[in-house]
Amino acid sequence: DTGVSQDPRHKITKRGQNVTFRCDPISEHNRLYWYRQTLGQGPEFLTYFQNEAQLEKSRLLSDRFSAERPKGSFSTLEIQRTEQGDSAMYLCASSVSSYNSPLHFGNGTRLTVT
Amino acid sequence: DQQVKQNSPSLSVQEGRISILNCDYTNSMFDYFLWYKKYPAEGPTFLISISSIKDKNEDGRFTVFLNKSAKHLSLHIVPSQPGDSAVYFCAAISRIYGGSQGNLIFGKGTKLSVKP
Repeated sequence: DTGVSQDPRHKITKRGQNVTFRCDPISEHNRLYWYRQTLGQGPEFLTYFQNEAQLEKSRLLSDRFSAERPKGSFSTLEIQRTEQGDSAMYLCASSVSSYNSPLHFGNGTRLTVT
Repeated sequence: DQQVKQNSPSLSVQEGRISILNCDYTNSMFDYFLWYKKYPAEGPTFLISISSIKDKNEDGRFTVFLNKSAKHLSLHIVPSQPGDSAVYFCAAISRIYGGSQGNLIFGKGTKLSVKP
């Protein structure tokens, strides 16, 4: 179990630029989740995949955000035309398809939009 | 509107004593509750959970209590150790979301400091 891996750990970008983050889940986990955490808040759900299918998206996920999970393995989260309000920690998590299976989180990608 | 509330942003306890972290929720549809621990620069890690059909779950030094009538749960850590110093998040989910933990609702967290 190598854990959930996220890349990069930190990203600084200028407003208006596009950014892409990558998440590699635990290999036997078929569910993958993206969350966002801002200072002083708990993680907020963005979207999740079961295998390659994106099954749910939060209304927090504006049309500037897109997530993919080709072949049901790694996932990418892209933010287009970044805004300062997008500055946050983006957390990826994975789990098996069991109701009570806990999420295993990665260490996150911290995005700073200047 | 916060559905999961952790009203104490911080808590300080002495090593060896009990730490009690509290969590309140408003959505009566929640039927599964979890606690996560987060160290700085790391992602949250799962600690312990409880189903709404139970009122207590214990795992070593950690015990979670659920009071459904009060919509309140608490995490007890006994005895507290300096390594327990972290931010603790309470989270909840409802079966109405089809059994996925993707829509976990988190509280804002409580920062626990255990002093030697």
